[in-house]
Amino acid sequence: DAKTTQPPSMDCAEGRAANLPCNHSTISGNEYVYWYRQIHSQGPQYIIHGLKNNETNEMASLIITEDRKSSTLILPHATLRDTAVYYCIVSQAAGNKLTFGGGTRVLVKP
Amino acid sequence: GAGVSQSPSNKVTEKGKDVELRCDPISGHTALYWYRQSLGQGLEFLIYFQGNSAPDKSGLPSDRFSAERTGGSVSTLTIQRTQQEDSAVYLCASSLEGGRNSPLHFGNGTRLTVT
Repeated sequence: DAKTTQPPSMDCAEGRAANLPCNHSTISGNEYVYWYRQIHSQGPQYIIHGLKNNETNEMASLIITEDRKSSTLILPHATLRDTAVYYCIVSQAAGNKLTFGGGTRVLVKP
Repeated sequence: GAGVSQSPSNKVTEKGKDVELRCDPISGHTALYWYRQSLGQGLEFLIYFQGNSAPDKSGLPSDRFSAERTGGSVSTLTIQRTQQEDSAVYLCASSLEGGRNSPLHFGNGTRLTVT
């Protein structure tokens, strides 16, 4: 299974774009990249996922490099409510049993 | 629409007792997952149901843990003879199809405390 590497923590300023990096150099051609976040005392919240094309939804944008070995989650205008742990995950082969690593603890500051 | 619902939200039990945790997935979702998250730790996969197929029990930590899914909808996770190390948040998720292009949607979990 492809593993991911994320920085353990990062700060960003309220109102600015937050760019969260993720490395997944061993990803296979048919594995998707997923992003979730977990706010304290809540279950993980799905943000976005993609295979090789860049994706955008109402929450965020996902930029995947051409070689698919890394990706960046972009929160276009961070708010204080975006403070959370963000997980970058590569889908497993069978049943999409996502394996959560340590994630990036994002603190949005006023 | 309604998301994944879990009950109870909190459960305190004495060591050695059995507990049942319930999950109501999103309507129409064929795949259902159980995870647990110990204090300050990441999510640990427990078990996965997909349609009428035999469940994937590869993550269950011991034979004290079992789960069933009745009628392809509601699921119950049962822990027998609970131990203090079973204390954790138990999370349920469902997805439309269970394939790689099918996101998991999580409930807010049941916080289990074994005293």
